[in-house]
Amino acid sequence: DVKVTQSSRYLVKRTGEKVFLECVQDMDHENMFWYRQDPGLGLRLIYFSYDVKMKEKGDIPEGYSVSREKKERFSLILESASTNQTSMYLCASSSIRLATYNSPLHFGNGTRLTVT
Amino acid sequence: KNQVEQSPQSLIILEGKNCTLQCNYTVSPFSNLRWYKQDTGRGPVSLTIMTFSENTKSNGRYTATLDADTKQSSLHITASQLSDSASYICVVTSGYSTLTFGKGTMLLVSP
Repeated sequence: DVKVTQSSRYLVKRTGEKVFLECVQDMDHENMFWYRQDPGLGLRLIYFSYDVKMKEKGDIPEGYSVSREKKERFSLILESASTNQTSMYLCASSSIRLATYNSPLHFGNGTRLTVT
Repeated sequence: KNQVEQSPQSLIILEGKNCTLQCNYTVSPFSNLRWYKQDTGRGPVSLTIMTFSENTKSNGRYTATLDADTKQSSLHITASQLSDSASYICVVTSGYSTLTFGKGTMLLVSP
């Protein structure tokens, strides 16, 4: 079974802090994604990566950055956390093309981040 | 603009009853459609993936249908159980790898 592991289930940080959210997958997947999920808004794509050291902005990249130094690990960085970044953060991974029928998208269990 | 609309927004049914959730999409070019189940406080888990050539796909008590002509999909849950209480999310892939998510239907199965 594919495992996508997010390092923290719950995190509480103060405004202005630098926050690191870590995600590791064990299936040698090329693609990795970071989403945030808010009530009434669904999942929104923050950043994604198709390869090591490669990153692409999603729909809502402002206030975030990412790092992918190794294929299995994709980190989301909040440079200076703000209260409007309080949310559920979900990491996902998949093999090459999501358009391919047998290319499932696997999610981690999420990190509930609260910024006070 | 690609869009995925799900209905109803929320639903309460009695344990043992059947229910059907709807997903309408305006996504082009269409590649495949996925249904996910998300338990409260957990990540989404895949139920089915369908391409345009598939009309029906089953996974246990879950049956998804797809009408590529009308751009509609449904997820039918048979003989519901308390553990079916969750959010169900419809996701459409377009082109190479663009995903468009619906906002989900929150299902509560009551004893």
